[in-house]
Amino acid sequence: SQQGEEDPQALSIQEGENATMNCSYKTSINNLQWYRQNSGRGLVHLILIRSNEREKHSGRLRVTLDTSKKSSSLLITASRAADTASYFCATVDRGSTLGRLYFGRGTQLTVWP
Amino acid sequence: DTGVSQNPRHKITKRGQNVTFRCDPISEHNRLYWYRQTLGQGPEFLTYFQNEAQLEKSRLLSDRFSAERPKGSFSTLEIQRTEQGDSAMYLCASSFGGDGYTFGSGTRLTVV
Repeated sequence: SQQGEEDPQALSIQEGENATMNCSYKTSINNLQWYRQNSGRGLVHLILIRSNEREKHSGRLRVTLDTSKKSSSLLITASRAADTASYFCATVDRGSTLGRLYFGRGTQLTVWP
Repeated sequence: DTGVSQNPRHKITKRGQNVTFRCDPISEHNRLYWYRQTLGQGPEFLTYFQNEAQLEKSRLLSDRFSAERPKGSFSTLEIQRTEQGDSAMYLCASSFGGDGYTFGSGTRLTVV
């Protein structure tokens, strides 16, 4: 079953603009991860943020986590056409020893040149 | 070995036939997962192996589905008596310790 919900479902921007995607989830988590998926391909792990962290950076990516609101955001700065893809958040439940991921439905990002 | 390999990439089969997919994880990864993804949805968990032991199975994994991971290396996912509702992308992922999964490119199954 799906756990997270990404918002918006679709986002269309020009190259150079920033893209912000949000994720809400329902349970207590151990960590939250963001993945990218190009059309018809597998998922690429972007970043992992643990429940005791509030913000994390990786290159042009910035992820925040608010466990009180059960929400996370992914910011991509200075977007490029190559960033066009679907972006998914996925959570691992607190106490999980198996590391099972619960995914949302994703945000489809389109970056126009 | 730089990634998770899945074969075949695409499979078209007639309803009622059996199909088998293979996943070769990153060699030092002890955890292996299968997920299924239908169009417009996020991946949904199917099953999990730690080394050769299958430790969890989703309710999505009906008795027509079986997965193995002999010797804790590659894994196979078999679907017997395929139905049109089985059409999906089947994704394999591996990890060491549960952080930062590496996904394969998936096997896209079409049941006609």
